[in-house]
Amino acid sequence: NAGVTQTPKFRVLKTGQSMTLLCAQDMNHEYMYWYRQDPGMGLRLIHYSVGEGTTAKGEVPDGYNVSRLKKQNFLLGLESAAPSQTSVYFCASSYFRGSDYEQYFGPGTRLTVT
Amino acid sequence: TQLLEQSPQFLSIQEGENLTVYCNSSSVFSSLQWYRQEPGEGPVLLVTVVTGGEVKKLKRLTFQFGDARKDSSLHITAAQPGDTGLYLCAGRYSGAGSYQLTFGKGTKLSVIP
Repeated sequence: NAGVTQTPKFRVLKTGQSMTLLCAQDMNHEYMYWYRQDPGMGLRLIHYSVGEGTTAKGEVPDGYNVSRLKKQNFLLGLESAAPSQTSVYFCASSYFRGSDYEQYFGPGTRLTVT
Repeated sequence: TQLLEQSPQFLSIQEGENLTVYCNSSSVFSSLQWYRQEPGEGPVLLVTVVTGGEVKKLKRLTFQFGDARKDSSLHITAAQPGDTGLYLCAGRYSGAGSYQLTFGKGTKLSVIP
């Protein structure tokens, strides 16, 4: 199993450009998440999905859109990138095991907006 | 927004020393998880605690959940250079939004050989 994979690993955008980050998981997990990680801020939830065709807003959703057309994929879109969106983006998927949901993270995408 | 305070933010110790990292909130958790993250990688789950007063051990790491389920600690005995990394606590609150984890800002640990 590849686990959780993210594409691309690195990207540089100019202000106003758009892009889509792709997350794929091969563990048949129902729940998927997009986080951003900034220095001194920890991980903050952008959007999440509790199943195919469903999405919900997290703590910092502004400027981002998501889609979950297939169970194994969760896409994060930036329609008009801003320098404030420079960050490392992590995707995660989770399932219930034992007493709680266990989250598995991808390796991250480092995005720079100039 | 519910907050999870993690301390200390940075910790630099010599190999063989002991250390404790703390995670606190004013709200009650239904569960709490600890993750470890190495540079350039995603966080990896270390442990989940769900019962007040619960203690779990993972080799030299001891995790404790407070009796009131508002705080947790991670204690490392005889730290090794391989323990170097970012340690994150993450709490799950019951009720609306229980699908979400709230993460602390992390403790960056450096173990010097």
